[in-house]
Amino acid sequence: NAGVTQTPKFQVLKTGQSMTLQCAQDMNHEYMSWYRQDPGMGLRLIHYSVGAGITDQGEVPNGYNVSRSTTEDFPLRLLSAAPSQTSVYFCASSYGGTPYEQYFGPGTRLTVT
Amino acid sequence: GQQVMQIPQYQHVQEGEDFTTYCNSSTTLSNIQWYKQRPGGHPVFLIQLVKSGEVKKQKRLTFQFGEAKKNSSLHITATQTTDVGTYFCAPFPRNKLTFGTGTQLKVEL
Repeated sequence: NAGVTQTPKFQVLKTGQSMTLQCAQDMNHEYMSWYRQDPGMGLRLIHYSVGAGITDQGEVPNGYNVSRSTTEDFPLRLLSAAPSQTSVYFCASSYGGTPYEQYFGPGTRLTVT
Repeated sequence: GQQVMQIPQYQHVQEGEDFTTYCNSSTTLSNIQWYKQRPGGHPVFLIQLVKSGEVKKQKRLTFQFGEAKKNSSLHITATQTTDVGTYFCAPFPRNKLTFGTGTQLKVEL
């Protein structure tokens, strides 16, 4: 199993550009989520999904869109990048049942200039 | 939203010393998870606590869930350089796993 994979690993965008961060898991997990991590802020939940076709907002959803058309994939779209979106983005997945252990991907480091 | 504070924010210890990080919530938690993140890495699941007063051990790590389920702690006995990283507590109410601010541990030889 590859686990949770994320692409790209690094990305530099200009303000106003759009892009999609890819996340895929091969563990047949129902639950998937996106976090951003900023220095001193811990990890903050952006969006999550409890299954294909179902998504919901987390703590900091503004400026991001998600969709879940398959169990395996959960892409995160930045509609119009802003410098405030410079961060490290982590995707995670879990079975959704106890003990809800989250498996994290390696992260994408995004810089918006 | 869920308010979870972790203290201390940073901790430097000499190798062999003990280390404790505390997680405090303003509301009662149904459960809480702990994660470790090595520098430059991603969070890795350590454990989940569910029951009031629960204590779980993993080798040198001891995890506790308070009787009122509003606080939790992670204690490391005789730290080693491999313990370096940031430790996060993470409550998991209603499908939204939220993380505390974390405690960054540095271990010096």
